[in-house]
Amino acid sequence: DTAVSQTPKYLVTQMGNDKSIKCEQNLGHDTMYWYKQDSKKFLKIMFSYNNKELIINETVPNRFSPKSPDKAHLNLHINSLELGDSAVYFCASSHRTNTGELFFGEGSRLTVL
Amino acid sequence: AQSVTQLDSHVSVSEGTPVLLRCNYSSSYSPSLFWYVQHPNKGLQLLLKYTSAATLVKGINGFEAEFKKSETSFHLTKPSAHMSDAAEYFCVVSYNTDKLIFGTGTRLQVFP
Repeated sequence: DTAVSQTPKYLVTQMGNDKSIKCEQNLGHDTMYWYKQDSKKFLKIMFSYNNKELIINETVPNRFSPKSPDKAHLNLHINSLELGDSAVYFCASSHRTNTGELFFGEGSRLTVL
Repeated sequence: AQSVTQLDSHVSVSEGTPVLLRCNYSSSYSPSLFWYVQHPNKGLQLLLKYTSAATLVKGINGFEAEFKKSETSFHLTKPSAHMSDAAEYFCVVSYNTDKLIFGTGTRLQVFP
């Protein structure tokens, strides 16, 4: 059983398109996150939700919009894709906030052409 | 600014020899410190964490790390490397917030 699952695993698209990445966790965790890993492997938090409420919203373009329909799901929608959006996007979850103990999905590699 | 520095971008060892991956953090407040491992094309997995209890922390797969406040360091060690240890390792710091600050990673190569 996959604890944190993301779909799709690979996404290749043209500039200007809109795309979504879905994330689901079956761990019963309250908190979910989106992280972006660039080509140099640097990881940075984008968003965090606790019980469907947004608690962290880092400085990301407003083309990125997270949505949490329930506490087991956190989706990421990206409008008007740009070349610089190419990266691996990781979803993660934790039992509660401030533990630092995150469970990560396997990542979604987005390539914008 | 709160930060974490991984001193080596690449470390290469022979199988069966010790591993040392170095990490230093900025010392504004008492931090929580973590090591995460990322195998190729996989998500990150927590190896171990320090949260102001014992300074020597044992993790999974035989790894351990020692919190040294005087040196602001949290180096990761393993007595004997295994081929399956080849991966990217991230030192991570948190200052009592939900934001984890990741280091730039150290790629560990293990040669037979």
